[in-house]
Parts: sequence; C-alpha cells; structure tokens
Amino acid sequence: QKEVEQDPGPLSVPEGAIVSLNCTYSNSAFQYFMWYRQYSRKGPELLMYTYSSGNKEDGRFTAQVDKSSKYISLFIRDSQPSDSATYLCAIKPPEGRRALTFGSGTRLQVQP
Amino acid sequence: NAGVMQNPRHLVRRRGQEARLRCSPMKGHSHVYWYRQLPEEGLKFMVYLQKENIIDESGMPKERFSAEFPKEGPSILRIQQVVRGDSAAYFCASSPPAGGGNQPQHFGDGTRLSIL
Repeated sequence: QKEVEQDPGPLSVPEGAIVSLNCTYSNSAFQYFMWYRQYSRKGPELLMYTYSSGNKEDGRFTAQVDKSSKYISLFIRDSQPSDSATYLCAIKPPEGRRALTFGSGTRLQVQP
Repeated sequence: NAGVMQNPRHLVRRRGQEARLRCSPMKGHSHVYWYRQLPEEGLKFMVYLQKENIIDESGMPKERFSAEFPKEGPSILRIQQVVRGDSAAYFCASSPPAGGGNQPQHFGDGTRLSIL
C-alpha cells in the first residue's frame, strides 16, 4: 500500500465550479500536510500548509484535514481557467525527518 | 528573483557521461532537499542537506549518485555514468533553519535531464 494515495484524474470542470481534490494516507504518524500546485514544466508551488485537523482557508482555497480518517482535501471555490494545473498533496512525518511524501498528483482542467 | 534557482533548466547527456545539477536555495535558507519526478509520477525524495553535511540520503540510489552542499556556492547533485532510466525532472527545495524542521519547503523549477 502506498503511503499517500491520490486520484490522478484528469478532472475537468466548468469555470466557476467548486473543485474538491483528495488524498488518503496510511501512516497516522504523519503530522504536517501540504498542497502544492504545479503548472506544466514548472516546479511545485506551495498553496496550503496545515498541521491540525480541521479547516484552513486562504482566499478561494480551503484545506481540510481529518486525522481520524487519514484524509485530506483541498477545495477551490469559483474555479478559474488559471487554476488548471496538477495538484499535489504532500505529507511530512514527525520531528526528526524532513522528507516529504507526495501523492502522484491530480490533473485539473477548468474549462472557460 | 529571490526563489530557489536551479540550473541548467534542461540537460542532455549520452549514456555513460556525468550530469551535474545545481541548486541555489532561497535567501536565508540553509536546508536543501533534492527530489526526482518521473513522468506521470509524484515527486520522490532523494536527499536532505545542510551546509557541508548530508543529513538524510535515504532516497538516494547507492551507486552513481552523490550530493553536496559546500560552505560556499550552490548544492550539487551529481550523477555518474548516466543511464536511460535517469531521465527525469530533478527538483530542489529549500527551507529556513528555524521552526524545528516544520518549515514548508519551497521548490525551484527543476532540471529536466534527458539521456540519449
């Protein structure tokens, strides 16, 4: 079983839709959760960084963590064509190790 | 540009040659990480370095691959005697020293290595 599972998509939505992106993880020791956005031929760009269970909001983006279910989500409201990219969830283990474990990424296409 | 700088952006090598990838971290960052991304796959951790020290190389292949982060200058990922399977995008990330290891990592735009 992979440490982090992420549906690769592609996910195609119309402009203005609410997008839900999800990852599950297997190791309850993971404590820090991140979402990165990666445009084609570019590096991952940090969108959200959370520690505790619950929601964290930043503009049109909301990150949600459910540690009891080992489930993390990223919601994008009022999606725009410029949101078309691959979204990667990443998880960091507890203190002492810094290697991030990434999901395989979900490709999102927002149709104008 | 105050971000993580990687060069070259594209590198073409023939089988058996050496590849050298460079990474300059963000200003004020002293921790560097290297990841590899194969086509249609997520990023895989390779190595974590601080100045003059390799802290975690658990993701680095035991042969042909090495990394350094000297006191002066960029971090270098070196691949000797490259093979076709080394073709990938190699990303460098950096983070600041503060925060007990929980600072987020910021990525460069990568080096795309192609082996002929």
